[in-house]
Amino acid sequence: EAGVAQSPRYKIIEKRQSVAFWCNPISGHATLYWYQQILGQGPKLLIQFQNNGVVDDSQLPKDRFSAERLKGVDSTLKIQPAKLEDSAVYLCASSPWTVVGEAFFGQGTRLTVV
Amino acid sequence: AQKITQTQPGMFVQEKEAVTLDCTYDTSDQSYGLFWYKQPSSGEMIFLIYQGSYDEQNATEGRYSLNFQKARKSANLVISASQLGDSAMYFCALVGGFQKLVFGTGTRLLVSP
Repeated sequence: EAGVAQSPRYKIIEKRQSVAFWCNPISGHATLYWYQQILGQGPKLLIQFQNNGVVDDSQLPKDRFSAERLKGVDSTLKIQPAKLEDSAVYLCASSPWTVVGEAFFGQGTRLTVV
Repeated sequence: AQKITQTQPGMFVQEKEAVTLDCTYDTSDQSYGLFWYKQPSSGEMIFLIYQGSYDEQNATEGRYSLNFQKARKSANLVISASQLGDSAMYFCALVGGFQKLVFGTGTRLLVSP
């Protein structure tokens, strides 16, 4: 079974530029999460999708962050314009949440804003 | 609202000893689940163990066991016979209604020879 795929693995941009991250969850997983993990901290949930609908985006800075999950499969997370404090690892996870579930994580995208 | 609290920023243990990592939680959901994940320096999140709120027995997975005390809202991870490869960040996480998954701030475990 293929895991959660994320790209790119690393990205360096200047502040005020825009950036996009891509996530391909495990096939058949209805729930998809995007987390922001700042160095030394725990993952912070940015947005949660159930199929292609948003379940929770209460901590997504909507003035600069946007996310979509077209057709309930792949997802993209965009930052425009980026700020220095956006430097973090962006983790994508998916889960079937059938009986006893676990969230499967991708390897993350490390973003550095300079 | 769901909340996970991990009060130990760092823990030290000698190889082959047991160590307990603390986790307390808060949720208004009747049905929920608790996870522990390991994050080595490579950054990947590795699932370790899961406990459902209605599970009567504490979960165990090899050297990992979860000490679940529902009335105290605690879900501590016990690692027996620590190994050097156990050095990593450990995160406790809670899944509740609508499958919202939230994490604690983590505990860094260092295992010394």
